[in-house]
Amino acid sequence: DGGITQSPKYLFRKEGQNVTLSCEQNLNHDAMYWYRQDPGQGLRLIYYSQIVNDFQKGDIAEGYSVSREKKESFPLTVTSAQKNPTAFYLCASSIQGRNEKLFFGSGTQLSVL
Amino acid sequence: AQTVTQSQPEMSVQEAETVTLSCTYDTSESDYYLFWYKQPPSRQMILVIRQEAYKQQNATENRFSVNFQKAAKSFSLKISDSQLGDAAMYFCAYRTPANFGNEKLTFGTGTRLTIIP
Repeated sequence: DGGITQSPKYLFRKEGQNVTLSCEQNLNHDAMYWYRQDPGQGLRLIYYSQIVNDFQKGDIAEGYSVSREKKESFPLTVTSAQKNPTAFYLCASSIQGRNEKLFFGSGTQLSVL
Repeated sequence: AQTVTQSQPEMSVQEAETVTLSCTYDTSESDYYLFWYKQPPSRQMILVIRQEAYKQQNATENRFSVNFQKAAKSFSLKISDSQLGDAAMYFCAYRTPANFGNEKLTFGTGTRLTIIP
């Protein structure tokens, strides 16, 4: 079945540590996105990419980095510069188009030890 | 910048009754897209319904329908014949047209819907 796979489901980060969240899609979608979800704040856009080897900052990119070396993969690194990383992270993808919906992964819950 | 406001943090409805969730947005664009997403306890985001701003007809999907008021920048979701499986967080979202480099979805803060048996 086609879809978006995020791993791991739960992740713990120690102080000063970088961690990488995986996002893989086999839908042949061009565009991929990373969102952060905090309680009571909805989803906020971290980074997005509409083509391989290119990506743009979203509304809350500080402390995060991404790469898009392959169409199907869009990993997110939470760096030690992100002082409040505890959140639920959602990856999404879509076809390029005027009203195409986003398909979401099942998310990764990141917590700080 | 575009903003999406959901003023009802929580709502509840009796099973089989109808409930309406509110959403307003702010934009200077004339062409855009609006969505309602559902997030059940599993936290999987599920598209409920979508509306294109240039279409005057309100979108419907089975028991779900919207009341799109473009001039008022309002986009409410009506759920008819509420079922226990409708219990979830509901997010309203706004999307700019898919121009290269300008394609992203902006979400409201959500409304938690409880279904009372």
